[in-house]
Amino acid sequence: EVQVVESGGGLVKPGGSLRLSCVASGFTFTNAWMSWVRQAPGKGLQWVGRIISQLGGGTTDYAAPVKGRFTISRDDSKNTVYLEMNSLKAEDTAIYYCSTHHTATSMIYWGQGTLVTVSS
Amino acid sequence: QSALTQPASVSGSPGQSITISCTGTSSDVDDFNYVSWYQHHPGKAPRLMIYEVSNRPSGVSNRFSGSKSGNTASLTISGLQAEDEAHYYCSSYTSNTLVFGGGTKLTVL
Repeated sequence: EVQVVESGGGLVKPGGSLRLSCVASGFTFTNAWMSWVRQAPGKGLQWVGRIISQLGGGTTDYAAPVKGRFTISRDDSKNTVYLEMNSLKAEDTAIYYCSTHHTATSMIYWGQGTLVTVSS
Repeated sequence: QSALTQPASVSGSPGQSITISCTGTSSDVDDFNYVSWYQHHPGKAPRLMIYEVSNRPSGVSNRFSGSKSGNTASLTISGLQAEDEAHYYCSSYTSNTLVFGGGTKLTVL
């Protein structure tokens, strides 16, 4: 059974930093492309960024609103992907979901999400 | 990258069919056959329903179908059931990123 579990959310002040973790199991993690998607309160889904498999080069891509502030990395030995968030803003407040890719452009297994609140 | 445009809400009665549209631009929906659709029940993880315009992952009912014409993609749900009531989001590939639609609330009357 595939499991995706996010952790690390919480309350952080504007300008602060936070690192989210996502542990996945039930599939070959080393081959997996992984994405982070967020949902602000009362809003829709927003793609945050993606990391491809190490075999594919481990390349990352990001949505414009987070580029330069957020960094996605992975540790295949721990079946874990990370989302390092810096210079956080109030508008980054959201539930952050981790997901595995079914194809290069679609995500099939999702976690339950972790809430990040940016507020003074 | 601007979000794709979806109607805020649609509704239908059990057994009926409904269609949700997703309008993009020549840089996303029109340019690639990489449109996906997700079902999202509040408090739960999103679920992939359609990928690459019209393909269903294993386990998704054939009541769900997808199509595309130009810069507009569509999700059709036939034989509406109460459990179909949820938010639905389209997404498309564009310039090494993914962009979602604003979401559509489906109400089963």
